[in-house]
Amino acid sequence: AQKVTQAQTEISVVEKEDVTLDCVYETRDTTYYLFWYKQPPSGELVFLIRRNSFDEQNEISGRYSWNFQKSTSSFNFTITASQVVDSAVYFCALSGEAAGNKLTFGGGTRVLVKP
Amino acid sequence: EAQVTQNPRYLITVTGKKLTVTCSQNMNHEYMSWYRQDPGLGLRQIYYSMNVEVTDKGDVPEGYKVSRKEKRNFPLILESPSPNQTSLYFCASRLDRVNSPLHFGNGTRLTVT
Repeated sequence: AQKVTQAQTEISVVEKEDVTLDCVYETRDTTYYLFWYKQPPSGELVFLIRRNSFDEQNEISGRYSWNFQKSTSSFNFTITASQVVDSAVYFCALSGEAAGNKLTFGGGTRVLVKP
Repeated sequence: EAQVTQNPRYLITVTGKKLTVTCSQNMNHEYMSWYRQDPGLGLRQIYYSMNVEVTDKGDVPEGYKVSRKEKRNFPLILESPSPNQTSLYFCASRLDRVNSPLHFGNGTRLTVT
């Protein structure tokens, strides 16, 4: 079975602060894929990033960065210099062949950025 | 525009009255899936389909039915809705590859009284 845990249910920051969202996963697969999705207040789910288990390079995209550490089964997401538009629920997800390619989601972390 | 379209966006119904939520994608994706989103539980898979006429249960299939007669359509059917099926529902599709990201519809908020 595969599992994704996002221990932080809600994080509140003031604009321009950095915020890091934790994601810990469990899987029996040796090849698997990790994803982050954003759900703004309007409700849609927006794909942000995908990583495969063979690529542990950290990635930066603008103010977003991701830290994948296989040794600790974590795939953390940092928003640098947060803005009000970053207020959303963020989901970490995992996909692997042992689970029939199903995408398993964590419970989500709500980020509230105050002006 | 590549998209997943689900309808309706909002639906209020009463216990026991059959309903269907439609889902259509225009990306020629083989894989389609339904999820429900509940507070604190994230998204949980209800049913999925690997291709036409191939469907299988997800984590929470009880009380739901699906069909995949055409590649683009994947309707979700609630034969006898109950209040515990009040939730936010998402349809999603992707290419038939485990590393492909899911593309989601805009969601259907269902209330069963």
